[in-house]
Amino acid sequence: SQQGEEDPQALSIQEGENATMNCSYKTSINNLQWYRQNSGRGLVHLILIRSNEREKHSGRLRVTLDTSKKSSSLLITASRAADTASYFCATRKSSGDKLTFGTGTRLAVRP
Amino acid sequence: GAGVSQTPSNKVTEKGKYVELRCDPISGHTALYWYRQSLGQGPEFLIYFQGTGAADDSGLPNDRFFAVRPEGSVSTLKIQRTERGDSAVYLCASSLTYGDEAFFGQGTRLTVV
Repeated sequence: SQQGEEDPQALSIQEGENATMNCSYKTSINNLQWYRQNSGRGLVHLILIRSNEREKHSGRLRVTLDTSKKSSSLLITASRAADTASYFCATRKSSGDKLTFGTGTRLAVRP
Repeated sequence: GAGVSQTPSNKVTEKGKYVELRCDPISGHTALYWYRQSLGQGPEFLIYFQGTGAADDSGLPNDRFFAVRPEGSVSTLKIQRTERGDSAVYLCASSLTYGDEAFFGQGTRLTVV
């Protein structure tokens, strides 16, 4: 079963614009991670945010976490055509638990 | 190798046959995960190993699916009496310890005809 739901399911933007994806989850978590997947194969880890953190940055990525609303957002600033991919959030309920993935957002960045 | 290696990258098998999918994790990573992903869906959890033991196998869909990790490194996912519904990309990941970020292999695309 999927823990998270990403919103929107698909997003198309122009190169240079910002892209925002949201993730909602159902149970309390230890941490939340965002992954990118190109062409339906291997996933690449982008960023991890712990339940006691509210915001994290990595390069052009900004992640927020609101545990009271059980939601997270991923912002990609100044998007590039190479950012075209599917983006997934994944949660861990506790530090020793499995990663449970959401349904993903398909991002298309038009050159 | 530097990353998680999965073999084969593609496997076509006939309905009813037995298949084995192999995962070679990053050296030193104690946690190993198997996921299954159908087209347009997120990865679906199958089983998770800490060392040699299965810490959580609650995602295995039925008793046709089995996974082992006998020496705490390489893992094999075994599917008996394959069905067309088993067709998917099978992803393996490893992490240094539980709770860390997971590193994924490129997956094995299984097609049951």
